[in-house]
Amino acid sequence: AQKITQTQPGMFVQEKEAVTLDCTYDTSDQSYGLFWYKQPSSGEMIFLIYQGSYDEQNATEGRYSLNFQKARKSANLVISASQLGDSAMYFCAMREGLRGAQKLVFGQGTRLTINP
Amino acid sequence: EAQVTQNPRYLITVTGKKLTVTCSQNMNHEYMSWYRQDPGLGLRQIYYSMNVEVTDKGDVPEGYKVSRKEKRNFPLILESPSPNQTSLYFCASSPTPSLEQFFGPGTRLTVL
Repeated sequence: AQKITQTQPGMFVQEKEAVTLDCTYDTSDQSYGLFWYKQPSSGEMIFLIYQGSYDEQNATEGRYSLNFQKARKSANLVISASQLGDSAMYFCAMREGLRGAQKLVFGQGTRLTINP
Repeated sequence: EAQVTQNPRYLITVTGKKLTVTCSQNMNHEYMSWYRQDPGLGLRQIYYSMNVEVTDKGDVPEGYKVSRKEKRNFPLILESPSPNQTSLYFCASSPTPSLEQFFGPGTRLTVL
């Protein structure tokens, strides 16, 4: 069964608009972490934002915020005021397990295209 | 500069010819991982290591070996590569499980 589901294979957004990339997850662990990574066409993986399962507030990093809805097992990435440079693949990932174990599971990704 | 390096960046080889992809990090991280990326499947974890001499299987370990003899190095070994191991491979490291992983630049492997 898929542990991380990204339902949007591709998204097209006008520059300067806000965009939400969906991510739902499945885990029975109480302690877990959720990550978003960006992969531009050059191929490198760039960390964007992290949310721990016990964090009460939604994580924010500059133009990126994570809309964490624990009961719905949802961790959507919100990019405000999109820019042309935001065009990339975006991956949601989950770390399961207690401290000392690190197994990261990725979703299939969403390809975001920002139109001028 | 803090970084994760991988070598080679590109490799074309033939079925059955043993190869090693090296991974090194200069951040004194305890945790290191290997992933493969295939279209439509995202990244899948091959092996990870929590410290020197401590390694464990990820989701797709078949056909791969790893070792962690030094903290900074985590090589990926393909003893007998097959065409289904053609993929983009990433090495990553992190200081603790709760923090982000730092990724290397990737190694694009083609097995003919």
